[in-house]
This record gives sequence, structure tokens and C-alpha cells, in this order.
Amino acid sequence: GQQVQQSPASLVLQEGENAELQCNFSTSLNSMQWFYQRPGGSLVSLFYNPSGTKHSGRLTSTTVIKERRSSLHISSSQTTDSGTYLCALKNNNAPRFGAGTKLSVKP
Amino acid sequence: DPKIIQKPKYLVAVTGSEKILICEQYLGHNAMYWYRQSAKKPLEFMFSYSYQKLMDNQTASSRFQPQSSKKNHLDLQITALKPDDSATYFCASSQDNSAETLYFGSGTRLTVL
Repeated sequence: GQQVQQSPASLVLQEGENAELQCNFSTSLNSMQWFYQRPGGSLVSLFYNPSGTKHSGRLTSTTVIKERRSSLHISSSQTTDSGTYLCALKNNNAPRFGAGTKLSVKP
Repeated sequence: DPKIIQKPKYLVAVTGSEKILICEQYLGHNAMYWYRQSAKKPLEFMFSYSYQKLMDNQTASSRFQPQSSKKNHLDLQITALKPDDSATYFCASSQDNSAETLYFGSGTRLTVL
């Protein structure tokens, strides 16, 4: 079955609102990585976060291994945040991706 | 400068033909990967290599064959192309195949007519 599940599948925000994206996994975890995929398709690494909390500007990632989840918080969203957010789980094999959260931020 | 180079950026092929997708990384990494993303499915793992050896394979079809002529190269040969093979193929690399940050190329968008 699906090892990595992301929610919500899509999200529409007004500029300035916050977003909370979830990644739940059903297996053990060696690493967790969050990516932003631009509308054109290229992938940008946001966080490599196997456990704990990390911050980068308006973004915060929290991974809780015991609860088998990782979250990505976007504060004060901007229209340029629009795109797809993907989480990738690595256990003993190559990283596997969730289906993504498609975020649309309206002006 | 892009550190993972994929060529070509766009590729159109006819059904039944054969194509090779090129990937070179200049990050000094030892592990390389291929992923596929089609309109109908999420980013899907295909192959991983470490020190030029196959480590993990999630692709059922033998029509997909990775080729590693050098440590920093992992090409993907696709034979007997089908319209369902149409997708964007992403190459990625990491320092090694343990828990390491993954870096992606910009992808090759393949269309099979």
C-alpha cells in the first residue's frame, strides 16, 4: 500500500493566510525531505528533516517519528508560494514520494 | 549553474522507437536515481544506483534499462516506446544511498506519439 500519504490534496488560500500541510507514513523512517515543485516542474528542496523542527523564513517543518508524521507550515502565504509541495520518505530503500499538496494562493 | 544536467529537456518519439535520456551530476555524489512523473500519477521511483551498482528497482518493465558508464552518469534507455511512457523523467542524486539529502535535475519531458 501507499507508504506516504499527504493531506490535503489541494488547498486554496487568500494571500496572508497560513497553511499546514501534512505527511503521514506507514513505515519506519530514516529521513524525511520536503520539496516544492514549481508549476513548470522543477523540484526545489525545502527541508531535510528526519526529526524535530526546522525553520527557514516563513516555512517550518516538524517531523515526529513516534507519530509517523511530518508537517510543513507556511506562514503569511504569498502568491509566489503557489505550486505543489511534496514529501519524500526514506527508510531502507530509495526515497518514496507522497502524491503532493497542490497549493493555490490568491491575491 | 545546474549541478545535475539532464538532456534533452524535451523529447518526442514515435511508438516502438528507442530513446536514451542522459543524466550527469557534478556534485561528487555516489548515489543516483531515476524518477518518473506522469499526468496521472505522483512522482514515482524507478531505479537507484550506488557506486555504479543497482541498489533498488521499482520498474516492472525490462524496457527501461539504466546505464552507468561513469560514476557521475546514469542514463536511462527506454526501448519499444509506448504512449503510456509519456511523462517527465527526473534524475536525482545524493551523497550516498543512506539517509541523505536528495537533489534533482530539471527533468526530461518525453512525449510518445
